[in-house]
Amino acid sequence: DAKTTQPPSMDCAEGRAANLPCNHSTISGNEYVYWYRQIHSQGPQYIIHGLKNNETNEMASLIITEDRKSSTLILPHATLRDTAVYYCIVRVAVGNEKLTFGTGTRLTIIP
Amino acid sequence: GAVVSQHPSRVICKSGTSVKIECRSLDFQATTMFWYRQFPKKSLMLMATSNEGSKATYEQGVEKDKFLINHASLTLSTLTVTSAHPEDSSFYICSARLTSGSREQFFGPGTRLTVL
Repeated sequence: DAKTTQPPSMDCAEGRAANLPCNHSTISGNEYVYWYRQIHSQGPQYIIHGLKNNETNEMASLIITEDRKSSTLILPHATLRDTAVYYCIVRVAVGNEKLTFGTGTRLTIIP
Repeated sequence: GAVVSQHPSRVICKSGTSVKIECRSLDFQATTMFWYRQFPKKSLMLMATSNEGSKATYEQGVEKDKFLINHASLTLSTLTVTSAHPEDSSFYICSARLTSGSREQFFGPGTRLTVL
């Protein structure tokens, strides 16, 4: 699986949009971008995933650049409950079932 | 839907004892489950892949005789930490993969093991 690079930490004001970047310059054509988050002392929670088109669900939006070498996870209206470590993972959707977690971005929502 | 539970959520044991952690998929069947370990302020590290009805596949450096995995049904996998020592103290997390459809992994809430 391709390696990802994320900033170690970010702050965001409550109510504002939180934009979390991820670089994955060695991504292959059949690899998807997945985002998970982990709130303190809990198991990871799936957020969203995409291949090349932008995706949106009830939790977040995923913007993938045209060359697919980077992406941004957007939490449109951050709340205190969004404080967590966010992991960007690149992997093939089927076949390779493993999820390789990097160090992620620790997002702190500030009141 | 797609809820995964773990039991116990927290366990404290004496050094040398064995501890069993259960991982259950509550509303779906999971042919494959995964076990992770997470040390404080560190990321999750995959320990093993558990397949129903067959032997688990362990990651490099993980002792299969120390971390016994049993996946006896499509909704239950167990991890037994045998002869636990203080260095085994960690946060153990399981995940279960949907058998069909998106094949996404859903994670349990984790089990915090403290070995005295």
